[in-house]
Amino acid sequence: GAGVSQSPSNKVTEKGKDVELRCDPISGHTALYWYRQSLGQGLEFLIYFQGNSAPDKSGLPSDRFSAERTGGSVSTLTIQRTQQEDSAVYLCASSLGWAGGSTDTQYFGPGTRLTVL
Amino acid sequence: RKEVEQDPGPFNVPEGATVAFNCTYSNSASQSFFWYRQDCRKEPKLLMSVYSSGNEDGRFTAQLNRASQYISLLIRDSKLSDSATYLCVVQRKRGGKSTFGDGTTLTVKP
Repeated sequence: GAGVSQSPSNKVTEKGKDVELRCDPISGHTALYWYRQSLGQGLEFLIYFQGNSAPDKSGLPSDRFSAERTGGSVSTLTIQRTQQEDSAVYLCASSLGWAGGSTDTQYFGPGTRLTVL
Repeated sequence: RKEVEQDPGPFNVPEGATVAFNCTYSNSASQSFFWYRQDCRKEPKLLMSVYSSGNEDGRFTAQLNRASQYISLLIRDSKLSDSATYLCVVQRKRGGKSTFGDGTTLTVKP
C-alpha cells in the first residue's frame, strides 16, 4: 500500500518568506510526527499528533513554526518568516499510535529538503 | 540530561567483526523500545523492536536491561551493507510518543 508521502520534495525560498510543507500519512494511522534533521545531525522532534488529543508542540523551536492536522489525516507544517537556520530536511512519520501497542512502528516519508537563501 | 542517549561513534570495523551499541534512557517507566536504521540521505526505517526477553533477527540481537535502563544492539559478522546510522527509540507508553536518540554511526570496511 501507499506509504507516507511529503511534498514538495525540495523547497528553496528566500529569507523572510513563509513556507508550507505537507505530509500525507498512511491511511488509518492515528499518530503523526514532524521532525527536522540538519546535515550530519540527529532527528530533532518538532510536534506530535495523536488522534483527537491536543498535539505535543514541545519541540517547536519558535513561534514561527506551527502545524495542523486536518480531519486526523493530512498535516501541514508552516514556517513563517523563514531564516537561514531553518534550512534542513523536514521529515514526517506516522504510526498506528495507541492501536500499535508495543510494536508501534513509525513509517517515515522521504522528507522535504528546505533551503533558505 | 537527554531522555535517550547514544554514543555517536563513529564505529569503524572490518567486515566480519562483531559490534555492539548501547543506548540509555532516563525514564524508568518507559515501556517500548526499538532500533531504527538510517542510511545516508535516507529516511529512518525500523530495524527491530526490542522485547523484554531479548530478541534476535539473523545477525542482529537486541537486549533490554530495565534495571540499568539501557538497550543494546549486537551485530555479528558485519557486512559492508550494515554501514548506516543506528537510532535508538523509546516510548514512555505503548503506542505513545516516541523519542529518538541522536544515533550511532557504523562504518564497515573491507
